[in-house]
Amino acid sequence: EVQLLESGGGLVQPGGSLRLSCAASGFTFRSYAMSWVRQAQGKGLEWVSSISGSGTTTYNAESVKGRFTISRDNSKNTLYLQMNSLRAEDTAVYYCAKDRDIWGDAFDIWGQGTMVTVSS
Amino acid sequence: EIVLTQSPGTLSLSPGERATLSCRASQSVSGNYLAWYQQKPGQAPRLLIYVASSRATGIPDRFSGSGSGTDFTLTISRLEPEDFAVYYCQQYGSSPRSFGQGTKLEIK
Repeated sequence: EVQLLESGGGLVQPGGSLRLSCAASGFTFRSYAMSWVRQAQGKGLEWVSSISGSGTTTYNAESVKGRFTISRDNSKNTLYLQMNSLRAEDTAVYYCAKDRDIWGDAFDIWGQGTMVTVSS
Repeated sequence: EIVLTQSPGTLSLSPGERATLSCRASQSVSGNYLAWYQQKPGQAPRLLIYVASSRATGIPDRFSGSGSGTDFTLTISRLEPEDFAVYYCQQYGSSPRSFGQGTKLEIK
């Protein structure tokens, strides 16, 4: 079964850091680009960051550029999001998602999400 | 950045009726790379449609997508009780990949 399982969310103070993880199973992880998408409570979906299958190409939304870093370990089938200088507006459920086929594709598999709360 | 505007914001219908949801882009979507997702409360989004009109794996044929350029439509031919949810469109033809604000489909 194809599955994504996020972890690492929690409560952090403004200016703090957090690292999210997403464990993948059921597919050839290294063959697919992966992304992070977030959703604030009661709000819509916002694409955050993407990384190619090899990990050599990354792309971030302007809202997180310079603060968030996406990476992956294909030997561990795991995707990461390092979040630094966190702000209250980063509070959201963070989903990892798999590109359906090619780089920049629709997201065909989603994790269940992990909650990040930035508050003092 | 391409801005997607979905309408209506809320759609109230009864089971068995036909639902038509709209997604309009601020500029032409390259390759008609437009997707539709369904999200139920407390759940992750689920891919329904990609490339404007192709159904994702396991999606019932009552869901169909159409459109091109800047105007796209998701149609649910006969609503089932499990179809009441929030629906998002997303363009992935250009960076950044952007989502619409969502349409809530509620039971009348």
